[in-house]
Amino acid sequence: AQKVTQAQTEISVVEKEDVTLDCVYETRDTTYYLFWYKQPPSGELVFLIRRNSFDEQNEISGRYSWNFQKSTSSFNFTITASQVVDSAVYFCALLNFGNEKLTFGTGTRLTIIP
Amino acid sequence: KAGVTQTPRYLIKTRGQQVTLSCSPISGHRSVSWYQQTPGQGLQFLFEYFSETQRNKGNFPGRFSGRQFSNSRSEMNVSTLELGDSALYLCASSLALTGAGDTEAFFGQGTRLTVV
Repeated sequence: AQKVTQAQTEISVVEKEDVTLDCVYETRDTTYYLFWYKQPPSGELVFLIRRNSFDEQNEISGRYSWNFQKSTSSFNFTITASQVVDSAVYFCALLNFGNEKLTFGTGTRLTIIP
Repeated sequence: KAGVTQTPRYLIKTRGQQVTLSCSPISGHRSVSWYQQTPGQGLQFLFEYFSETQRNKGNFPGRFSGRQFSNSRSEMNVSTLELGDSALYLCASSLALTGAGDTEAFFGQGTRLTVV
């Protein structure tokens, strides 16, 4: 069975602060993929990043960075110098290789206070 | 390049009715997946279609069905609607099967279904 846990239901930070969204996953497979999606109020899920289980390198993309640690089954997401436009619900998701479905966490609602 | 288009955006139906939702994937994408999003259950996988064949189905009753046409457009049908079917239904398209992993799924804005 596979499971994704996002323990933080809601987070509020003041603009320009850094914020980290936690994601812990469970899977018995050795080949899997992890994703982060952003869901703004308009509803669509916006793809942010994909990482496979064999690549533990951290990644930085502008103000976004991701920390993947297999030892703790975590794939955390950090936004540096947050902006109001970052306000959204963020979902972490897991895909086992060969399985056609994404398993999503329950999401973290991030509010950036101007 | 046009994104994933879902129609209609909003729908209100009465209990017992049936409903059909439509999803037009990004041009060239052959895989279409459907997800249901509710406050209580979160995002749950419904099914995926690839080249007009259903590849996998989530844990939903038989009232939920779908199909995919030769142009990759997909429809989802829910019969005998129940109040609990009220949700945001999201469609995602990708070039290859979702299970391949190394392909991004692009989501539409969803259809918000309200059953009264």
